[in-house]
Amino acid sequence: GAVVSQHPSWVICKSGTSVKIECRSLDFQATTMFWYRQFPKQSLMLMATSNEGSKATYEQGVEKDKFLINHASLTLSTLTVTSAHPEDSSFYICSTFPASGSYTQYFGPGTRLTVL
Amino acid sequence: DAKTTQPTSMDCAEGRAANLPCNHSTISGNEYVYWYRQIHSQGPQYIIHGLKNNETNEMASLIITEDRKSSTLILPHATLRDTAVYYCIVRVAGGSQGNLIFGKGTKLSVKP
Repeated sequence: GAVVSQHPSWVICKSGTSVKIECRSLDFQATTMFWYRQFPKQSLMLMATSNEGSKATYEQGVEKDKFLINHASLTLSTLTVTSAHPEDSSFYICSTFPASGSYTQYFGPGTRLTVL
Repeated sequence: DAKTTQPTSMDCAEGRAANLPCNHSTISGNEYVYWYRQIHSQGPQYIIHGLKNNETNEMASLIITEDRKSSTLILPHATLRDTAVYYCIVRVAGGSQGNLIFGKGTKLSVKP
């Protein structure tokens, strides 16, 4: 299947700092990328949808000024958690699908964020 | 998208077939059945999907009932590495791409 990478795989930061997470599609172009969040023992929840060259669409209850999404190229989307707080500690996962052909979504390995 | 119902957990002996059921009684005619799994602390992994015909790939087989109201994912020879949470999701392919709605899934434990 298609390969999606994320960086970093884990990060620990102090409360009030900002953290950037990168999501890359390695072997295909992706016009749309999705960002999910997963709290312990819970299922994945869609946070936002990013489209290359346009503003992201956020799900209800997700603060767009806190979770900044940039999708500047067809292979890279970034999620920046601004002024992180302990309650933002979670597992962040991106996913996407090839722009041509299959509509199957492939997921990145996830980024574990811990805010102290 | 239609909702799905899966058992909370299942056990399977190593080397035996694991049969994971999923009910999707309100599925629409243009909705596909997708299966993903999530091994602990990893991103979900695509397994297989189908519309109405049975499907098989190198990982698993998908059996969809004729009325499409339920399906079964079959792992023919389960290994310890197949221990994971398995998610059955129905959605329109090519439609609103972001709506992979994850339920609680089935926690499959493969035991030696």
